[in-house]
Amino acid sequence: NAGVTQTPKFQVLKTGQSMTLQCAQDMNHEYMSWYRQDPGMGLRLIHYSVGAGITDQGEVPNGYNVSRSTTEDFPLRLLSAAPSQTSVYFCASRPQGSDTIYFGEGSWLTVV
Amino acid sequence: GENVEQHPSTLSVQEGDSAVIKCTYSDSASNYFPWYKQELGKGPQLIIDIRSNVGEKKDQRIAVTLNKTAKHFSLHITETQPEDSAVYFCAAMNTGFQKLVFGTGTRLLVSP
Repeated sequence: NAGVTQTPKFQVLKTGQSMTLQCAQDMNHEYMSWYRQDPGMGLRLIHYSVGAGITDQGEVPNGYNVSRSTTEDFPLRLLSAAPSQTSVYFCASRPQGSDTIYFGEGSWLTVV
Repeated sequence: GENVEQHPSTLSVQEGDSAVIKCTYSDSASNYFPWYKQELGKGPQLIIDIRSNVGEKKDQRIAVTLNKTAKHFSLHITETQPEDSAVYFCAAMNTGFQKLVFGTGTRLLVSP
């Protein structure tokens, strides 16, 4: 049981490049979400999904796309990276019927 | 939408002292209030949570109190230890909407 697994751990991108942050969970959780963490701003919700085939926007969705084709995976796509997207990204999941959210270890992204 | 404010941003205590972190929320419909601990380079981990139908909850050295009327909740850590040093986040959620909103975090330093 690996919990919530994020890859890559570290990534450096050039402005304008695209990339995908991968998130997988092996706990059969229905709910998954992506947060970004910036100094002094806590964690802010980017996108979330309440089940396969269903996604919705969070607080800061601009510049990011998500899809949920399976229960296990919830990738986050940066379409055209900008320096403002330099951040630490956390994927999280929650089982149905519970409010407890489990976080991955984070992905450190730098856009230069 | 919900807004969560957290104070103080940094807190230094001596080992054995108590530490208190306070949060206020804006949405009276929020009914779930978790606290997360984040160690350096790790994802946030749930340490305790409270629901709106409860005024206080304890788990060993950790306690959380909730004042629904004033819309504020607090984390109390007694007999602090150096391993309590971390960043602590409060959060609030209306479980009907499943969007967890975080405070900006408190860096707790416990000196031996």
